Amino acid sequence: QVQLVQSGAEVKKPGASVKVSCKVSGYTLTELSMHWVRQAPGKGLEWMGGFDPEDGETIYAQKFQGRVTMTEDTSTDTAYMELSSLRSEDTAVYYCATIGSGSYYTWGQGTLVTVSS
Amino acid sequence: DIQMTQSPSSVSASVGDRVTITCRASQGISSWLAWYQQKPGKAPKLLIYAASSLQSGVPSRFSGSGSGTDFTLTISSLQPEDFATYYCQQANSFPPAFGGGTKVEIK
Repeated sequence: QVQLVQSGAEVKKPGASVKVSCKVSGYTLTELSMHWVRQAPGKGLEWMGGFDPEDGETIYAQKFQGRVTMTEDTSTDTAYMELSSLRSEDTAVYYCATIGSGSYYTWGQGTLVTVSS
Repeated sequence: DIQMTQSPSSVSASVGDRVTITCRASQGISSWLAWYQQKPGKAPKLLIYAASSLQSGVPSRFSGSGSGTDFTLTISSLQPEDFATYYCQQANSFPPAFGGGTKVEIK
């Protein structure tokens, strides 16, 4: 079965960038479609972007266009999500999750990113 | 983009109660709907996919129904471990979208 292990919590200043990693085990990254979802404190789930196998492209939510980059290192089976120009509203738990038939069947444990001056 | 609306936003119930949560899509999504359970400090867990298919390992007291725009998640007999927040998610088209969540609280 797929397991996803994410990098640890981060504290960043406004304007900085953060890069969160998601290490896959049980499968290779090339066998999976990886997405990223975030959750602000006390709020709901917000899709950020992910790989669309039908198009063969990574698609980003319009809200994050120009600020987010999702990449994959197939040699280490690790996915990355980098968010730039951080502001306080980006304080959230960031999850990687694998999608199959439209549903997120495996999630990472989450990475708390705190943006504070 | 498709919007997902869940109701109620919270519900108070007792152990043994039947609980029903509804989710409405802003346009038809056939049966492309999933339900998740999230407990505090934990990642969401997939319960139901394709509107009514139970994910492996999920207790049979959970069931899903609906198609098109209107969907329901039913917990037939609420157990202590079921107190959590539940989210629906449309899986019909990009971008995927989640409902706002329903918190099931102890009465």
